[in-house]
Amino acid sequence: GAVVSQHPSWVICKSGTSVKIECRSLDFQATTMFWYRQFPKQSLMLMATSNEGSKATYEQGVEKDKFLINHASLTLSTLTVTSAHPEDSSFYICSALIGGEGSPLHFGNGTRLTVT
Amino acid sequence: GQNIDQPTEMTATEGAIVQINCTYQTSGFNGLFWYQQHAGEAPTFLSYNVLDGLEEKGRFSSFLSRSKGYSYLLLKELQMKDSASYLCAVRDSNYQLIWGAGTKLIIKP
Repeated sequence: GAVVSQHPSWVICKSGTSVKIECRSLDFQATTMFWYRQFPKQSLMLMATSNEGSKATYEQGVEKDKFLINHASLTLSTLTVTSAHPEDSSFYICSALIGGEGSPLHFGNGTRLTVT
Repeated sequence: GQNIDQPTEMTATEGAIVQINCTYQTSGFNGLFWYQQHAGEAPTFLSYNVLDGLEEKGRFSSFLSRSKGYSYLLLKELQMKDSASYLCAVRDSNYQLIWGAGTKLIIKP
């Protein structure tokens, strides 16, 4: 079964509003979670690495004040897209690493964000 | 810079075999992963290679040659449900995952 749960699956919001996406690890503790964004027909792009109890590490070009990440517990990380614009419309996917170095990332089901 | 190359798109026939290649140039190597991603869905893990050779898992096999910076994913007895994108990802020396752009596989009856 799923080990990472992401909510909501899809959301439509108006330009200028904020949207929060939740990512939960099920039955395990994830000290580190990863947030990806994927535009149509493109590859996954890592946005940030979310660390429990500390500030997230953002990839170059990702605005940390626009994409707020909170990892307040070992099972929950949230991504808030603030003051959303149509160009923020994308597929946002969280993931967590379970196990040691050879372990794969397990992904949530993703959130389809549409900003009108 | 770091780079992973995969064909953009491939077409194969139901019941046949297809091989999807992946070449990489990364700062160090700590494993290579293959993921399957259906349209509109998140990726799902298929296979992991860290040593040279072939890893077989049912209809899917993955091969790695570290000296050549090369891997392939082999899909046998293709089914229509195998139509998806296949992503190759390499973990570099900093344990960061570097992703390929994915190969869209189209299965025809």
